[in-house]
Amino acid sequence: DVKVTQSSRYLVKRTGEKVFLECVQDMDHENMFWYRQDPGLGLRLIYFSYDVKMKEKGDIPEGYSVSREKKERFSLILESASTNQTSMYLCASSGTGTRTDTQYFGPGTRLTVL
Amino acid sequence: TQLLEQSPQFLSIQEGENLTVYCNSSSVFSSLQWYRQEPGEGPVLLVTVVTGGEVKKLKRLTFQFGDARKDSSLHITAAQPGDTGLYLCAGEPGYGGATNKLIFGTGTLLAVQP
Repeated sequence: DVKVTQSSRYLVKRTGEKVFLECVQDMDHENMFWYRQDPGLGLRLIYFSYDVKMKEKGDIPEGYSVSREKKERFSLILESASTNQTSMYLCASSGTGTRTDTQYFGPGTRLTVL
Repeated sequence: TQLLEQSPQFLSIQEGENLTVYCNSSSVFSSLQWYRQEPGEGPVLLVTVVTGGEVKKLKRLTFQFGDARKDSSLHITAAQPGDTGLYLCAGEPGYGGATNKLIFGTGTLLAVQP
Protein backbone atom coordinates (compact mmCIF):
# COMPACT_ATOMS: atom_id res chain seq x y z
CA ASP A 1 0.00 0.00 0.00
CA VAL A 2 1.39 3.36 -1.03
CA LYS A 3 2.27 5.73 1.71
CA VAL A 4 3.26 9.36 2.11
CA THR A 5 3.95 10.46 5.67
CA GLN A 6 4.46 13.94 7.07
CA SER A 7 6.44 14.61 10.22
CA SER A 8 3.70 16.42 12.15
CA ARG A 9 -0.08 16.72 11.93
CA TYR A 10 -0.18 19.96 13.92
CA LEU A 11 2.52 22.52 14.55
CA VAL A 12 2.49 25.84 16.40
CA LYS A 13 5.42 28.22 15.89
CA ARG A 14 6.24 31.83 16.68
CA THR A 15 6.93 34.57 14.17
CA GLY A 16 10.55 34.53 13.08
CA GLU A 17 11.21 30.89 13.95
CA LYS A 18 12.76 28.53 11.41
CA VAL A 19 10.34 25.73 10.60
CA PHE A 20 11.06 22.35 9.02
CA LEU A 21 8.31 20.21 7.53
CA GLU A 22 9.37 16.75 6.43
CA CYS A 23 7.77 14.35 4.01
CA VAL A 24 8.69 10.73 3.29
CA GLN A 25 7.32 8.46 0.56
CA ASP A 26 7.86 4.72 0.22
CA MET A 27 6.92 4.32 -3.46
CA ASP A 28 10.29 5.12 -5.05
CA HIS A 29 8.66 8.06 -6.81
CA GLU A 30 10.77 10.55 -8.74
CA ASN A 31 8.47 13.54 -8.22
CA MET A 32 7.64 15.16 -4.92
CA PHE A 33 5.57 18.27 -4.26
CA TRP A 34 4.77 20.73 -1.50
CA TYR A 35 1.43 22.54 -1.58
CA ARG A 36 -0.36 24.85 0.78
CA GLN A 37 -4.12 24.67 1.10
CA ASP A 38 -6.25 27.62 2.09
CA PRO A 39 -10.08 27.84 2.03
CA GLY A 40 -11.42 29.01 -1.31
CA LEU A 41 -7.99 28.87 -2.95
CA GLY A 42 -7.58 25.13 -3.47
CA LEU A 43 -4.05 23.76 -3.45
CA ARG A 44 -1.23 26.03 -4.52
CA LEU A 45 2.15 24.61 -5.48
CA ILE A 46 5.08 25.93 -3.46
CA TYR A 47 7.95 23.81 -4.83
CA PHE A 48 8.42 20.52 -6.54
CA SER A 49 11.32 18.17 -7.11
CA TYR A 50 11.74 15.75 -10.01
CA ASP A 51 14.92 14.10 -8.78
CA VAL A 52 17.36 14.09 -5.88
CA LYS A 53 18.89 17.54 -5.39
CA MET A 54 16.69 18.95 -8.18
CA LYS A 55 13.96 21.47 -7.49
CA GLU A 56 11.72 23.92 -9.26
CA LYS A 57 9.71 26.83 -7.96
CA GLY A 58 5.98 26.52 -8.01
CA ASP A 59 3.44 29.32 -8.00
CA ILE A 60 4.11 30.68 -4.49
CA PRO A 61 7.77 29.98 -3.51
CA GLU A 62 8.39 33.26 -1.66
CA GLY A 63 9.35 32.70 1.96
CA TYR A 64 10.00 28.98 1.45
CA SER A 65 12.91 26.75 0.49
CA VAL A 66 13.19 23.00 0.00
CA SER A 67 15.71 20.22 0.30
CA ARG A 68 15.86 16.80 -1.31
CA GLU A 69 18.99 14.92 -0.35
CA LYS A 70 17.44 11.46 -0.66
CA LYS A 71 14.86 10.20 -3.14
CA GLU A 72 12.30 9.33 -0.49
CA ARG A 73 12.50 12.54 1.54
CA PHE A 74 11.46 16.09 0.66
CA SER A 75 11.68 18.87 3.23
CA LEU A 76 9.99 22.26 3.23
CA ILE A 77 11.74 25.02 5.15
CA LEU A 78 10.29 28.30 6.35
CA GLU A 79 13.41 30.36 7.05
CA SER A 80 11.58 32.94 9.18
CA ALA A 81 7.97 32.05 9.79
CA SER A 82 5.33 34.75 9.43
CA THR A 83 1.66 34.80 10.38
CA ASN A 84 0.61 34.74 6.71
CA GLN A 85 2.21 31.31 6.44
CA THR A 86 -0.41 29.87 8.78
CA SER A 87 -1.96 27.19 6.59
CA MET A 88 -2.39 23.50 5.85
CA TYR A 89 0.68 22.08 4.12
CA LEU A 90 0.34 19.00 1.94
CA CYS A 91 3.11 16.87 0.52
CA ALA A 92 2.58 14.63 -2.50
CA SER A 93 4.58 12.28 -4.68
CA SER A 94 4.13 10.80 -8.14
CA GLY A 95 5.98 8.63 -10.58
CA THR A 96 7.17 9.67 -14.02
CA GLY A 97 5.17 8.36 -16.94
CA THR A 98 4.00 9.29 -20.36
CA ARG A 99 0.61 10.29 -18.99
CA THR A 100 -0.46 12.24 -15.96
CA ASP A 101 0.40 10.14 -12.98
CA THR A 102 -1.57 9.98 -9.76
CA GLN A 103 -0.35 12.24 -7.01
CA TYR A 104 -0.36 10.54 -3.63
CA PHE A 105 -0.80 12.87 -0.71
CA GLY A 106 0.22 12.82 2.90
CA PRO A 107 -2.33 13.68 5.61
CA GLY A 108 -1.13 17.27 5.86
CA THR A 109 0.47 19.46 8.52
CA ARG A 110 -1.63 22.25 9.96
CA LEU A 111 0.82 25.01 10.81
CA THR A 112 -0.13 27.95 13.00
CA VAL A 113 2.29 30.87 13.27
CA LEU A 114 1.62 33.15 16.22
CA THR B 1 -1.11 31.81 -14.50
CA GLN B 2 -3.65 29.18 -15.43
CA LEU B 3 -6.67 29.00 -13.16
CA LEU B 4 -9.34 26.41 -12.55
CA GLU B 5 -12.55 27.78 -11.08
CA GLN B 6 -14.94 25.41 -9.39
CA SER B 7 -18.61 26.00 -8.73
CA PRO B 8 -20.37 25.91 -6.46
CA GLN B 9 -17.92 26.57 -3.65
CA PHE B 10 -20.25 25.00 -1.05
CA LEU B 11 -23.12 22.57 -1.43
CA SER B 12 -25.33 21.13 1.29
CA ILE B 13 -27.93 18.62 0.14
CA GLN B 14 -30.13 15.84 1.46
CA GLU B 15 -29.34 12.17 0.97
CA GLY B 16 -30.75 10.90 -2.33
CA GLU B 17 -30.45 14.20 -4.23
CA ASN B 18 -28.44 14.63 -7.41
CA LEU B 19 -25.78 17.28 -7.88
CA THR B 20 -23.25 18.58 -10.39
CA VAL B 21 -19.94 20.27 -9.72
CA TYR B 22 -18.25 22.32 -12.43
CA CYS B 23 -14.59 22.99 -13.11
CA ASN B 24 -13.86 25.72 -15.66
CA SER B 25 -10.84 27.39 -17.21
CA SER B 26 -9.94 29.51 -20.21
CA SER B 27 -6.85 27.33 -20.72
CA VAL B 28 -6.44 23.95 -22.34
CA PHE B 29 -5.36 20.97 -20.27
CA SER B 30 -3.83 17.75 -21.57
CA SER B 31 -5.66 15.81 -18.87
CA LEU B 32 -7.86 16.48 -15.90
CA GLN B 33 -8.18 14.69 -12.60
CA TRP B 34 -10.74 14.75 -9.80
CA TYR B 35 -9.72 14.20 -6.19
CA ARG B 36 -11.78 13.89 -3.01
CA GLN B 37 -10.44 15.00 0.34
CA GLU B 38 -11.99 13.95 3.63
CA PRO B 39 -11.41 15.85 6.89
CA GLY B 40 -7.94 15.27 8.31
CA GLU B 41 -6.69 13.50 5.20
CA GLY B 42 -4.94 14.36 1.98
CA PRO B 43 -6.76 14.32 -1.38
CA VAL B 44 -7.29 10.92 -3.02
CA LEU B 45 -7.59 10.48 -6.78
CA LEU B 46 -11.03 9.51 -8.10
CA VAL B 47 -10.51 9.61 -11.86
CA THR B 48 -8.34 10.90 -14.72
CA VAL B 49 -9.84 11.99 -18.06
CA VAL B 50 -7.55 12.62 -21.00
CA THR B 51 -9.64 12.90 -24.18
CA GLY B 52 -11.92 15.82 -25.07
CA GLY B 53 -15.53 14.72 -24.61
CA GLU B 54 -14.55 11.71 -22.53
CA VAL B 55 -17.06 10.43 -19.99
CA LYS B 56 -16.09 8.12 -17.14
CA LYS B 57 -18.34 6.54 -14.54
CA LEU B 58 -17.39 5.43 -11.07
CA LYS B 59 -20.48 3.86 -9.47
CA ARG B 60 -22.80 6.87 -8.83
CA LEU B 61 -20.22 9.42 -9.99
CA THR B 62 -20.02 10.53 -13.63
CA PHE B 63 -17.09 12.62 -14.85
CA GLN B 64 -16.95 14.46 -18.15
CA PHE B 65 -14.09 16.29 -19.87
CA GLY B 66 -15.17 19.14 -22.12
CA ASP B 67 -14.73 18.81 -25.88
CA ALA B 68 -12.19 21.64 -25.92
CA ARG B 69 -10.41 20.25 -22.83
CA LYS B 70 -10.96 23.49 -20.91
CA ASP B 71 -13.62 22.32 -18.48
CA SER B 72 -14.98 19.31 -16.66
CA SER B 73 -17.98 18.30 -14.59
CA LEU B 74 -18.68 15.79 -11.84
CA HIS B 75 -22.24 14.54 -11.44
CA ILE B 76 -23.31 12.52 -8.40
CA THR B 77 -26.55 10.57 -8.55
CA ALA B 78 -28.45 9.81 -5.35
CA ALA B 79 -25.85 11.32 -3.04
CA GLN B 80 -24.98 9.45 0.15
CA PRO B 81 -23.51 10.82 3.42
CA GLY B 82 -20.30 8.97 2.50
CA ASP B 83 -19.92 11.34 -0.48
CA THR B 84 -19.30 14.22 1.93
CA GLY B 85 -15.93 15.86 1.39
CA LEU B 86 -13.97 18.44 -0.54
CA TYR B 87 -13.89 17.78 -4.29
CA LEU B 88 -10.93 19.15 -6.21
CA CYS B 89 -10.35 19.17 -9.93
CA ALA B 90 -6.76 19.32 -11.15
CA GLY B 91 -5.50 19.89 -14.66
CA GLU B 92 -2.19 19.16 -16.29
CA PRO B 93 -1.37 22.21 -18.41
CA GLY B 94 -0.66 21.93 -22.10
CA TYR B 95 -1.64 19.99 -25.14
CA GLY B 96 0.03 16.65 -24.56
CA GLY B 97 2.78 14.77 -22.83
CA ALA B 98 3.34 14.54 -19.12
CA THR B 99 4.68 17.48 -17.18
CA ASN B 100 3.68 15.91 -13.86
CA LYS B 101 2.62 19.31 -12.54
CA LEU B 102 -1.01 19.97 -11.74
CA ILE B 103 -3.08 23.12 -11.42
CA PHE B 104 -5.69 22.56 -8.72
CA GLY B 105 -9.15 24.05 -8.71
CA THR B 106 -10.57 26.15 -5.91
CA GLY B 107 -12.54 23.22 -4.47
CA THR B 108 -16.19 22.35 -3.79
CA LEU B 109 -17.15 21.42 -0.24
CA LEU B 110 -20.04 18.95 -0.31
CA ALA B 111 -22.11 18.02 2.74
CA VAL B 112 -24.73 15.30 2.34
CA GLN B 113 -27.23 15.25 5.20
CA PRO B 114 -28.82 11.92 6.15
